[in-house]
Formats: sequence, C-alpha cells, structure tokens
Amino acid sequence: DSGVTQTPKHLITATGQRVTLRCSPRSGDLSVYWYQQSLDQGLQFLIQYYNGEERAKGNILERFSAQQFPDLHSELNLSSLELGDSALYFCASSVSGAGTGELFFGEGSRLTVL
Amino acid sequence: AQSVSQHNHHVILSEAASLELGCNYSYGGTVNLFWYVQYPGQHLQLLLKYFSGDPLVKGIKGFEAEFIKSKFSFNLRKPSVQWSDTAEYFCAVMAGSGGSNYKLTFGKGTLLTVNP
Repeated sequence: DSGVTQTPKHLITATGQRVTLRCSPRSGDLSVYWYQQSLDQGLQFLIQYYNGEERAKGNILERFSAQQFPDLHSELNLSSLELGDSALYFCASSVSGAGTGELFFGEGSRLTVL
Repeated sequence: AQSVSQHNHHVILSEAASLELGCNYSYGGTVNLFWYVQYPGQHLQLLLKYFSGDPLVKGIKGFEAEFIKSKFSFNLRKPSVQWSDTAEYFCAVMAGSGGSNYKLTFGKGTLLTVNP
C-alpha cells in the first residue's frame, strides 16, 4: 500500500459526459501528480500541483482540468469525453515539489468511455 | 523536452536467466534517472534511482542499473531473475535540480515475463 488513495477504481461512462477523479496523497505529501496511461501512449504526465498551486503542466487537454484543495487532495475533471480518453489515470504524490524523484503512486482509476 | 526510450516491449525469460532492460533518454542537461516497477494488479513503485555519484546504483530485490552518460543510457540489470519478477518495468527521467519543472517523464515500459 503506497498510501495514495484514488477513487473510483473503475468508471464507465458515455461520450460527451463529464467525470471527476479523486486523489488523496500520502499523509504529509504536498505534491500531487496526475498521469494518464494508455496502451499506445504509455504513461503521460498531465499536471502537477504543489501545496495548492499548479507547478508543472504536461500534455493535458483543454477539456481536462485539475485542482488541489486546502486539505491537499486533488481532483481531475475530464469533460466532453471521447472514446480516446479511455485509459488508466494515475495519481502520485511526493513530499515536496522539488526533484527527489520518488513518487508514490495510487492504484489508478480505470476510465472506459463507450 | 526530455524523452525516454525503452528498447524492448516484451521480454520473456526463464527463471535464473540474467536480465538487462535497455533505457535511453534524450536531454542535454543534468538528469535524475529512475526505474519503476508495476507488478500485476499493483501500483507503480520505485525500484532504484540515480541522482549523482557512483553510476552503478543498486535497488531493491537484487536489481541494479548503470548510468552511462556518454551513451545517455540507464540500463536495468539483474543477474538471476525469479518468477516473482514478472512485472512491467518503466524507466523515467527528471530534468535536473533547481528548476521548477519536476515532471517525471516515463518510457513506454517493458513487460517482463519470467517462466518457472
């Protein structure tokens, strides 16, 4: 158990819909990272938050947004869903925003868009 | 921007065979390098990491990796694999320290299957 909790574990929805994925980081970790894992693209970095502020941005679509709340949990919002958004979405956390590099990953939320 | 290339998509070995998984990265500056492992049905976890110093780093479960700067490589090795090493292995690179961009860029992963 990494200490990072993601909900829901599985989600099935239709095209055009909107979903919210939730992540609770390890106790004491200030940074939260979101990654998308698909068969063709591998693990793609989406976005990082540190203590409530956006720290780094990757290949995140405009239809996607995220935020980190004062209690440090984070939510990833995916809207106007397309078939290609079907993937495993991982959240990870680390103690700081600075490159110790050791990220602790949750078990992921598997999104299926039909 | 940094990128990571893992040469093998799927490697199949018998128990006790030696393992070497290739990883090359593309980035002109200082890098921190990592190998993560994802066992079936589990989350990714850190296997080992290189920041500086001795280019041969040892990780958990008998794994080691060697950083060869001139070749931009960070290959993962294990002298004798076990069935329990069956997993997906990800090489990752983080651009050097001091900046504000700490994103970890992953390779596409290598699936290792160890047959008993």
